Amino acid sequence: TQLLEQSPQFLSIQEGENLTVYCNSSSVFSSLQWYRQEPGEGPVLLVTVVTGGEVKKLKRLTFQFGDARKDSSLHITAAQPGDTGLYLCAGGGYQGAQKLVFGQGTRLTINP
Amino acid sequence: DAGVIQSPRHEVTEMGQEVTLRCKPISGHNSLFWYRQTMMRGLELLIYFNNNVPIDDSGMPEDRFSAKMPNASFSTLKIQPSEPRDSAVYFCASCSTGGYFVSYNEQFFGPGTRLTVL
Repeated sequence: TQLLEQSPQFLSIQEGENLTVYCNSSSVFSSLQWYRQEPGEGPVLLVTVVTGGEVKKLKRLTFQFGDARKDSSLHITAAQPGDTGLYLCAGGGYQGAQKLVFGQGTRLTINP
Repeated sequence: DAGVIQSPRHEVTEMGQEVTLRCKPISGHNSLFWYRQTMMRGLELLIYFNNNVPIDDSGMPEDRFSAKMPNASFSTLKIQPSEPRDSAVYFCASCSTGGYFVSYNEQFFGPGTRLTVL
């Protein structure tokens, strides 16, 4: 059962443009994590948001958790080729479980 | 810390052969997760352990897959017999849960094992 849906699945833009990736669910999560995965490597945690409405910034990346803790977004300002990768959102605490529920990912390509 | 260590990094085998993937979690982490990643199905959780005890193996595809965690610093995922549809990248991840500090199960992934079954 797919509980977290990411959109878009693929995104290719030019360097310097802005973009937003969405992660949506009908389920409530106690936390929402974003990971980035580069080719040939495992996912690496970028951020964890835990409070409804929370906004966190990591340099040019802005992460937001929805008020109802069912959705999240990742906004990148002035994208750079180094931002290229697979971005995964993961929900924690669904139905009290310890495991994370991962979205299918957004494959982002930034062209120079 | 060396991070999560997986071996081998690449494995090519023939259908019907036994395959064993290995993982060493980060020292001090008490939860360990095995995932499989393919282009079609994304990242799928196969099984996870807490304090060396299997908690949820509902993601294990079938009886050909088995996983063990004999101690806090080592886990294996075995496929016997292997089939071409098992070809994927297998990740191990670990995290620290419970304890004094609040944890949100933030996971640290290994580099993965790319398995090809011919």
